[in-house]
Amino acid sequence: EVQLVESGGGLVQPGGSLRLSCAASGLTFNTYWMHWVRQAPGKGLVWVSQINSDGTNTNYADSVKGRFTISRDNAKNTLYLQMNSLRVEDTAMYYCTRGYYYGTDYWGQGTLVTVSS
Amino acid sequence: QTVVTQEPSLTVSPGGTVTLTCASSTGAVTSGYYPNWFQQKPGQAPRALIYSTSNKYSWTPARFSGSLLGAKAALTLSGVQPEDEAEYYCLLYYGGAQPWVFGGGTKLTVL
Repeated sequence: EVQLVESGGGLVQPGGSLRLSCAASGLTFNTYWMHWVRQAPGKGLVWVSQINSDGTNTNYADSVKGRFTISRDNAKNTLYLQMNSLRVEDTAMYYCTRGYYYGTDYWGQGTLVTVSS
Repeated sequence: QTVVTQEPSLTVSPGGTVTLTCASSTGAVTSGYYPNWFQQKPGQAPRALIYSTSNKYSWTPARFSGSLLGAKAALTLSGVQPEDEAEYYCLLYYGGAQPWVFGGGTKLTVL
């Protein structure tokens, strides 16, 4: 059974940093693209970033480019999202999700990031 | 900036049929946008329903189907059940530096 478990969320002040993790199990992690998707409270889903299977290719939404960095450790079956220079508008539930044939299939339960002073 | 548009809300009676659509600000949605559909219930993570326009996952109920309808992607629910009340999101692939855009979601009420 595929499981994706996010962690690392919490309360942080504007301008601060957080690193999110997504531990994957039940899949051959190093063969899949992975994504981060976020959802602000009461709002819709927003794609944030993706990384290819070996970590050599990454893409970002304009709203986070230059501030967020996606990475992965295939030896640890773990996906990361380093978030710097956080803004109030980055407040959201952050989901990791597995890439599957030009889409995504399995999703974690999310980790909540709150940016507030 | 690319915008993907869905109906904000729809209402359907139990046992009825409803079609949700997904339009792109760039023009007609084709199979090359690989439309995906997701269901999200309150307090839960999204669940994938459809990939690449019309392909179902092993867990996708048979009453859900995906298609292209005119210039849009479409998700049709036939024989709607009360448990289908949820928010539904489409996802389109544009390639390039920012390859993915979600629609704003459709809140489906079963009444």
